[in-house]
Amino acid sequence: EDQVTQSPEALRLQEGESSSLNCSYTVSGLRGLFWYRQDPGKGPEFLFTLYSAGEEKEKERLKATLTKKESFLHITAPKPEDSATYLCAGTNNDYKLSFGAGTTVTVRA
Amino acid sequence: GAVVSQHPSWVICKSGTSVKIECRSLDFQATTMFWYRQFPKQSLMLMATSNEGSKATYEQGVEKDKFLINHASLTLSTLTVTSAHPEDSSFYICSAIGAPGRTDTQYFGPGTRLTVL
Repeated sequence: EDQVTQSPEALRLQEGESSSLNCSYTVSGLRGLFWYRQDPGKGPEFLFTLYSAGEEKEKERLKATLTKKESFLHITAPKPEDSATYLCAGTNNDYKLSFGAGTTVTVRA
Repeated sequence: GAVVSQHPSWVICKSGTSVKIECRSLDFQATTMFWYRQFPKQSLMLMATSNEGSKATYEQGVEKDKFLINHASLTLSTLTVTSAHPEDSSFYICSAIGAPGRTDTQYFGPGTRLTVL
């Protein structure tokens, strides 16, 4: 059974304090590993897709990396507006997403 | 680009009534649309997958007679919650794939908050 596990559940950071979120996965025939950001009461917002081990993607203060068993989302010098729940999901050939439970990031000014 | 809308954004209804939620891809034709529900502090649970012109495929444990899905066109899918009860209260979110250049990426709508009294 496909499984995606995210850690930690919650992360409280001071503004400017860099950190990383972990996503470990066992998805048979993984086609892509996705990262989304979700704000309270909103739908998830697409951030990145990673397809192969060693791949990296960057967007502003966020950088996502992928190995054969896990993915990391690095947040560099976070700002309060980076506060959100970050969701990781894997997909195989049917385009269905298997989501992790998410990591809720709170950045204090 | 790749914008998905939902309507309504929130709805309150009485127990026993039916509620329809619309999901539209505004700037691309969606080859497939998905419907999720999300309970507080939990992640998204896939309910069903729908393709234009064909019957939706429901996940195990989801009552197809309770959650009716119609995918009328390449830009519109609807979810009807029939004979709603308080336990159906939840946050319903749709997504669509098919955006040019990112045909494997699900783009999500803003969600619909359903409260059944």
